[in-house]
Amino acid sequence: DTEVTQTPKHLVMGMTNKKSLKCEQHMGHRAMYWYKQKAKKPPELMFVYSYEKLSINESVPSRFSPECPNSSLLNLHLHALQPEDSALYLCASSRSPNTGELFFGEGSRLTVL
Amino acid sequence: GQQLNQSPQSMFIQEGEDVSMNCTSSSIFNTWLWYKQDPGEGPVLLIALYKAGELTSNGRLTAQFGITRKDSFLNISASIPSDVGIYFCAGRDGGATNKLIFGTGTLLAVQP
Repeated sequence: DTEVTQTPKHLVMGMTNKKSLKCEQHMGHRAMYWYKQKAKKPPELMFVYSYEKLSINESVPSRFSPECPNSSLLNLHLHALQPEDSALYLCASSRSPNTGELFFGEGSRLTVL
Repeated sequence: GQQLNQSPQSMFIQEGEDVSMNCTSSSIFNTWLWYKQDPGEGPVLLIALYKAGELTSNGRLTAQFGITRKDSFLNISASIPSDVGIYFCAGRDGGATNKLIFGTGTLLAVQP
């Protein structure tokens, strides 16, 4: 079962709102990732968690705050976002950090008004 | 961030035709992955390659890890309408973080 589950599938929020994106995998993978993707562009890496610790932050603005409560869960907390932050946010996981294959969720489509 | 050069940027073909796309890098890679993404969905892994010269098939799809380790190719034989989507290559350069770097994508349209 190569499944990464993301919720919600769609989210609309105002610039003053606080919301969270959630990701879950039960494949025993020890690395989890957040990517941001604009239309017709490749995914851009935001954060990498290795063994539940943040290992890579690609200079992402602090209005995006990741959290890894346990090895199966990954959250992305959103606060004071800008309209240009509207995008598809993808969660992925891999068996080991930064090796091998990444398996992606279906994504959360975020619209910031 | 760093991106891989992927070509062609888009392809418009007739059902039944074969398709070829490739990905090149200025540096050596130790892993090549090929993904397909449908609109509004996440990328789905098609093929993974780990050795220079490796040729791997998945149904009508065949991908190769270039012998120079700086490129990879994906071929789709006898295309069908459900092959429509954006195809991304992705590679790991084996550097300190060994991050996955994505290609710019190839948009495939198949005319029935």
